Amino acid sequence: DAGVIQSPRHEVTEMGQEVTLRCKPISGHDYLFWYRQTMMRGLELLIYFNNNVPIDDSGMPEDRFSAKMPNASFSTLKIQPSEPRDSAVYFCASTPMVAGGPNEQFFGPGTRLTVL
Amino acid sequence: GEDVEQSLFLSVREGDSSVINCTYTDSSSTYLYWYKQEPGAGLQLLTYIFSNMDMKQDQRLTVLLNKKDKHLSLRIADTQTGDSAIYFCAEKSIRNYGQNFVFGPGTRLSVLP
Repeated sequence: DAGVIQSPRHEVTEMGQEVTLRCKPISGHDYLFWYRQTMMRGLELLIYFNNNVPIDDSGMPEDRFSAKMPNASFSTLKIQPSEPRDSAVYFCASTPMVAGGPNEQFFGPGTRLTVL
Repeated sequence: GEDVEQSLFLSVREGDSSVINCTYTDSSSTYLYWYKQEPGAGLQLLTYIFSNMDMKQDQRLTVLLNKKDKHLSLRIADTQTGDSAIYFCAEKSIRNYGQNFVFGPGTRLSVLP
């Protein structure tokens, strides 16, 4: 397996534009997570899905952020409209659900978003 | 509440041992993890320890867990320049449906030649 795939790797956009980040989890993994990493706030969990269903979105900063998982192999994180303070590295991670197991999270390479 | 704390920076000389410390708050955590993030990359699992263990050794890595004090440490023996990275401590909380991984802020390890 190629691991968790994210696209694009880098995104530069202007304030007010819509941004869509994409993630393909590892095949067979039941859980998918979206994180945001900044110098100021570190790594923050935004939302996670179980079997394509959003379970906890309490980390989503505001209504400008939305995430979907239309099927087991694809998820999107959308920001509309984008603002400069959204500039960060966004990570997608997936994990299999093995009862009693460590359930390691496998991270993608991240998307570096810059909003001008 | 859930909180994982780490010191933010650590510098060591090549060949010395590095010890990265972490404290966590959720006493019900079943697993505790150390992840490594190299520049421009995502986090990668380095090692983990089950909560009923005190110590785990894996080649140059030694993980110590003190459940009473909720303290976790990672020791890297014979630290190399390739070990320079950010190291994240994480706990798997059984709250929030049991899939909430709580990460610390990360410790940036710099290895000096």
